[in-house]
Amino acid sequence: AQSVTQLDSHVSVSEGTPVLLRCNYSSSYSPSLFWYVQHPNKGLQLLLKYTSAATLVKGINGFEAEFKKSETSFHLTKPSAHMSDAAEYFCVVPAMDSSYKLIFGSGTRLLVRP
Amino acid sequence: NAGVTQTPKFQVLKTGQSMTLQCAQDMNHEYMSWYRQDPGMGLRLIHYSVGAGITDQGEVPNGYNVSRSTTEDFPLRLLSAAPSQTSVYFCASSPLRSPYTEAFFGQGTRLTVV
Repeated sequence: AQSVTQLDSHVSVSEGTPVLLRCNYSSSYSPSLFWYVQHPNKGLQLLLKYTSAATLVKGINGFEAEFKKSETSFHLTKPSAHMSDAAEYFCVVPAMDSSYKLIFGSGTRLLVRP
Repeated sequence: NAGVTQTPKFQVLKTGQSMTLQCAQDMNHEYMSWYRQDPGMGLRLIHYSVGAGITDQGEVPNGYNVSRSTTEDFPLRLLSAAPSQTSVYFCASSPLRSPYTEAFFGQGTRLTVV
C-alpha cells in the first residue's frame, strides 16, 4: 500500500533563507505525488503536483520539488522563505485502488522567523 | 466561482446529538469526498462518491453517513455524535476519479463534541 513519510514535524527557518521540507514515498510505482499547503484555519491548497512528465516540478509561490526515484523522495524546496510561507505542508500520494483516495503524510509545520 | 463551500464553519455538539455537515461545489465535479483531520495524522478519508447516487466507504466510515442526490451536493451526517468525532472536517472535489487529478478543498468545519 502506498504511503508517504514526512521526515520533520516542524521546520524553522529565518526569513530569506532556503526552505527544505522532506518527503519519502513508499511505493515502487507512484504515478503522481502532490504537495498541499494549509495556512492557519484555512483549507488546503495545491502547491504543485508530479505526474511523470518532468522530475523537477515548479509550483506556486516559488516552491518546487524534485522527484527522485532512486531515493524514493519528493522534497519541497524554496530558495528564500517569506513570512507568508508559515503554514503546514502535506506530501500526498493517491491510493492505487478504486477509491484513488489521497494518502496524506503527517504534515510539516514551517515556522519563519523574522 | 465559489469552488467548494462547507457549512457551518464551527459547530459544538453534545454527545448523542446528530447533525449534517453541508458541502456544495459549483465546478461540476463528479468525484467528491469527506476527510477528517486530526493532529499529527494528516487527513483520512471518511466517505467518497464518484457521481450522483454512488457512494462508498473510506478508511474511517464508522459513525458517518453520506448520500449524493445531485452532482453539486455531498452532505455528511453524524448519526449520534461522540467525543472521538471531535475533528476538523474537509470536503473535497475532483473532476475525475484519477490518480493524476488534484482535489479542491473546502475551508473546513471545526466540530467539537462535548
